[in-house]
Amino acid sequence: EPEVTQTPSHQVTQMGQEVILRCVPISNHLYFYWYRQILGQKVEFLVSFYNNEISEKSEIFDDQFSVERPDGSNFTLKIRSTKLEDSAMYFCASRGDQSTEAFFGQGTRLTVV
Amino acid sequence: KNEVEQSPQNLTAQEGEFITINCSYSVGISALHWLQQHPGGGIVSLFMLSSGKKKHGRLIATINIQEKHSSLHITASHPRDSAVYICAVRYYNTDKLIFGTGTRLQVFP
Repeated sequence: EPEVTQTPSHQVTQMGQEVILRCVPISNHLYFYWYRQILGQKVEFLVSFYNNEISEKSEIFDDQFSVERPDGSNFTLKIRSTKLEDSAMYFCASRGDQSTEAFFGQGTRLTVV
Repeated sequence: KNEVEQSPQNLTAQEGEFITINCSYSVGISALHWLQQHPGGGIVSLFMLSSGKKKHGRLIATINIQEKHSSLHITASHPRDSAVYICAVRYYNTDKLIFGTGTRLQVFP
C-alpha cells in the first residue's frame, strides 16, 4: 500500500540552527501539507502546497519557515533558525484531489536544545 | 471561530465493550475525518465523511450535517484499539484540516 514517508524520524538540533525535514508524498498526489503537534497539544496546520506554490499558510508559518518540492518527489520543510518552541512532531500529508482523504506520514520528532 | 470539540477526552473500556466517541463542529464543512494516533505518534486515517455513514470492520463513523455532529463507534473493542482518536474537519473555502484535541481510549483485557 502506498504511504507517505518522512525522514528523519527524530532530529535533535541546537537553537539557532537550520533544519530540513523531508517527506516523500504518495506518487501522483497533488496536494501536500505540513502539520505540527507540540507535545500534549492538538495537531496544528502549518502550510498547504499545490501546483508548486503555497496555497494556504497559518500564522505559525512565519518567515523562518519555507517549503519546497525540489525534484517532483520530495517535499521539504525548512526551519531557518530554530527556537526552543519549534520542538514538536512534524507531520507531512498528501492527497490526490479535493475529494479524497489525506494520508499522513509517521512524523519527524524535532527537539531543539 | 471554527472549533472542533471532542468528547470524552479520556475513555477506558473493558474488552468487548461498544465504544462511542463524539465530535462537534461550529459551521459548515466540506469533509470530516476520523484519525487514529498510536503512542509512537504516527497518524492513520480511518474515515473521511461528508454525509451519512461509513463502516470498516469493527469501526463505524456517522455524521449528521444538520446537527454538525459526528460519532465514531467501535464494536467489540479490543486492547489493540487503544490509541488516541482524533476528529478533524475541512471547512468550506479552505484546504486545511482543523483538528480536535483527541480522545484517549484505553481498552483493558
